[in-house]
Formats: sequence, structure tokens, C-alpha cells
Amino acid sequence: GAVVSQHPSWVICKSGTSVKIECRSLDFQATTMFWYRQFPKQSLMLMATSNEGSKATYEQGVEKDKFLINHASLTLSTLTVTSAHPEDSSFYICSARGPAGVTQYFGPGTRLLVL
Amino acid sequence: AQRVTQPEKLLSVFKGAPVELKCNYSYSGSPELFWYVQYSRQRLQLLLRHISRESIKGFTADLNKGETSFHLKKPFAQEEDSAMYYCAPPWSGSARQLTFGSGTQLTVLP
Repeated sequence: GAVVSQHPSWVICKSGTSVKIECRSLDFQATTMFWYRQFPKQSLMLMATSNEGSKATYEQGVEKDKFLINHASLTLSTLTVTSAHPEDSSFYICSARGPAGVTQYFGPGTRLLVL
Repeated sequence: AQRVTQPEKLLSVFKGAPVELKCNYSYSGSPELFWYVQYSRQRLQLLLRHISRESIKGFTADLNKGETSFHLKKPFAQEEDSAMYYCAPPWSGSARQLTFGSGTQLTVLP
């Protein structure tokens, strides 16, 4: 089946620094990728949707200048958390879908801790 | 607002007992709903789509228009069914993105 990977699986950074998270579709071309955020014991919240080669569409309340999304190729999307603060600490999950696909395939998630 | 509701955050049953995870919706017509599952330390994965009417790992879910429900059922729960279950509403937006209900943590006790 389709596999989506994320790197890194966890990261600890200092407040004020930027962190980049990669999401890759390993065996299919992902025309659309999605980024979610999950707080402990809570559901996944959709942050943004990105299509290859175009600007991401952000959900209401998500700061586009803080969460930079780049979907430069059909197998890679990146999420950069800029000037991270402790409240950005969370579990970030990406998912991907192919051009004719119905199912979204999810990555294993990246745990971010901002000190 | 149109949405799905999972009224139970936590559900515990004994092994071998029937289990039903509730999901209610407020969409009109026959919405295409999904159930996703997240086992401990594993990624989220699709369990069931309403439209496919499959039975996966012994789980089934039927759309009940009268009750506007899409409950997930299994006649005999197993310990390996312990996981977080999310009911997901129909795709929204031009990109058909998935959003999720609040989730139900199922624990199957030995």
C-alpha cells in the first residue's frame, strides 16, 4: 500500500528558532498533501492543504506566516514552524493523496517540543 | 453547523463482548462518512468507508438515515482492537480534505 514518511519523528528546539518537518510519499505521487496538528488526548485539526506547485490553503485561524508550507514536488511537502514558541509544541501529522485517489494516507507524525 | 459527533471520549469493554462506537452526523442525504483508527504508536489509517460497505477486522458500520448515525460495531471485541477511533465527515472543500470527529478511545479489557 501507499506509504507516507515524515522526518524527523521528533524534534526539540529552543524558543525563537525555526523547525522544518518533511513529509514524503514513498511509492506514489501525491498531488495533494495535508497537514494536521494534534494536541494530547485531542483529535486531529486540519491546518492546511497543499497542491503540488501551488500555494497552500490554510484553515481559519492558522497563521500562514508562522506555518510555512512548501509542496515543491509530487513526493515532498515541508512544514516550517517559524519562530517557534512553547505553545507550538504538538504532534504534527501529514497525509497525502494521489491524483486519482480517494484515500488519504497518513504519515507517522512528528512530535515537536519547543523549550 | 454540519458535523459529526462522537459522544463518548472513552469506552471500555471486555474481550469477547460486543462493542459499538457511536457517531452521529448532521449532514443531509446520504453523506459519505469514514471511520479511521489509530493504534498506539502507529499512524492513522482508514478502517471503513460508508460507500464501500466493507467489513474490516470484523467491524461494520451502517448509515442510518432515520437516526442520522454511522455507528461502528463489532460483535466480539478483541484486545488488539484497543485504539483511538475517529469518525470522519464527508470530504469538504475543493481539495476534498478530511476532517475528524473528537474521537473515542476504545479499551478492550482481558
